[in-house]
Amino acid sequence: QKEVEQNSGPLSVPEGAIASLNCTYSDRGSQSFFWYRQYSGKSPELIMSIYSNGDKEDGRFTAQLNKASQYVSLLIRDSQPSDSATYLCAVNDRSAGKSTFGDGTTLTVKP
Amino acid sequence: GAGVSQSPSNKVTEKGKDVELRCDPISGHTALYWYRQSLGQGLEFLIYFQGNSAPDKSGLPSDRFSAERTGGSVSTLTIQRTQQEDSAVYLCASSLGYNTEAFFGQGTRLTVV
Repeated sequence: QKEVEQNSGPLSVPEGAIASLNCTYSDRGSQSFFWYRQYSGKSPELIMSIYSNGDKEDGRFTAQLNKASQYVSLLIRDSQPSDSATYLCAVNDRSAGKSTFGDGTTLTVKP
Repeated sequence: GAGVSQSPSNKVTEKGKDVELRCDPISGHTALYWYRQSLGQGLEFLIYFQGNSAPDKSGLPSDRFSAERTGGSVSTLTIQRTQQEDSAVYLCASSLGYNTEAFFGQGTRLTVV
C-alpha cells in the first residue's frame, strides 16, 4: 500500500461544475496536509494547506480533512478551464517532517 | 524574495558521463528535497535533507546517485555513469522546517543520449 494514494483520473468536469479530488494516507500520526497544482511542463505550486479536522476555504478552493478516516480532499467550485492541471496531495510524516506526495490526479475542465 | 533556484535548466549528456545538478534553496529553509519526474509520471522522491540530521536517502535508485548539502544551504545531486533511463526532470524543493509546505524550483531537464 502506498503511503499517499490518489485517484489517478483523469477527471473531467464541465466549466462551472464542482471538481472533487480525493486523497488517502497511511500514517495515522500525520499532521500536515497540502494540495499542490502542477500545470503541464511546470513545477508544482502550493494551493492549500490544512492541519486540523474540518474544512478550510480559500476562494473557490476548499480543503477537507478527516484524520479518523485518514482522508483529505480538495473541492474546486465554479471550475474554470484554467484549473485544468494535475493536483498533487502531500502529507508530512510525524517524525522527520518529510513530505510524501501522491501520484496526482489530472483534472480537465471542459468549456 | 528569491525562490528556489536550480541550474542548469537543461542538460544534455552522453551515456556514461557524470552530471551534477545544483539547487539553491530559499534562504533560511532547513529542509531540502530532490525529486525526479519522468514525462507524464508523478514525483519520485530521491533524497531529503533536514537541518543537521542524517539525510533520508531511501529514494535514491542506485549507487550511481548521490547528493550533498553544503553548509545547510546549496545542494548538489550527482549522477555517475548516466544511463538513458536517467532522462527526466529533476526537481528540487525547500521548506522552512517541519510540517511546512515545500517550494519548488523550476527543475533541470536531463537528457541522456
